[in-house]
Amino acid sequence: GESVGLHLPTLSVQEGDNSIINCAYSNSASDYFIWYKQESGKGPQFIIDIRSNMDKRQGQRVTVLLNKTVKHLSLQIAATQPGDSAVYFCAETAFSGGYNKLIFGAGTRLAVHP
Amino acid sequence: DADVTQTPRNRITKTGKRIMLECSQTKGHDRMYWYRQDPGLGLRLIYYSFDVKDINKGEISDGYSVSRQAQAKFSLSLESAIPNQTALYFCATSDLTGGRNEQFFGPGTRLTVL
Repeated sequence: GESVGLHLPTLSVQEGDNSIINCAYSNSASDYFIWYKQESGKGPQFIIDIRSNMDKRQGQRVTVLLNKTVKHLSLQIAATQPGDSAVYFCAETAFSGGYNKLIFGAGTRLAVHP
Repeated sequence: DADVTQTPRNRITKTGKRIMLECSQTKGHDRMYWYRQDPGLGLRLIYYSFDVKDINKGEISDGYSVSRQAQAKFSLSLESAIPNQTALYFCATSDLTGGRNEQFFGPGTRLTVL
């Protein structure tokens, strides 16, 4: 819901521009990363993932870049549309307690203006 | 995601009451999770279950309990609700198809404890 994004960093872009959302992850041993999109009133939805043996992966209008040296992940959205307005979370997997648990970042709100 | 449903969607209760949140899935996944989400924070894991006989604590399990009644059902209970348990609660499911750990989220339950 709306309250999820109250204290989040916000990226404001014009419709049609490209958006870049950044994420710093914490565990140098993490080997799998996911970007999730959360629209108001809904649960997070998978956008794209990347393994640590890659540094770039492309989907439809989205690209994820991984820089393991500085533990940085980014999500690029091409030709941003009003429907892209949401909170975006990165998640890393770290092996703990016998399974690869997901560790979520705090999120970034993307606001697309006409 | 309609494959993962949560009931109720909204609940207001009073301090000290026992509350149960329910989650059902039709994805056939073995793994199920309960998370809470607070404003400005990412998702934090409460409990997870890898199959009907497996229950594990997450990072913030105090004050919560769970029950895995069947492969498709995983419920979360607050034995004696307190105001700082006011949050959005999400259920998620996953399997390890292709070695991925993509988690599919339900629509969430907004819980308010007065």
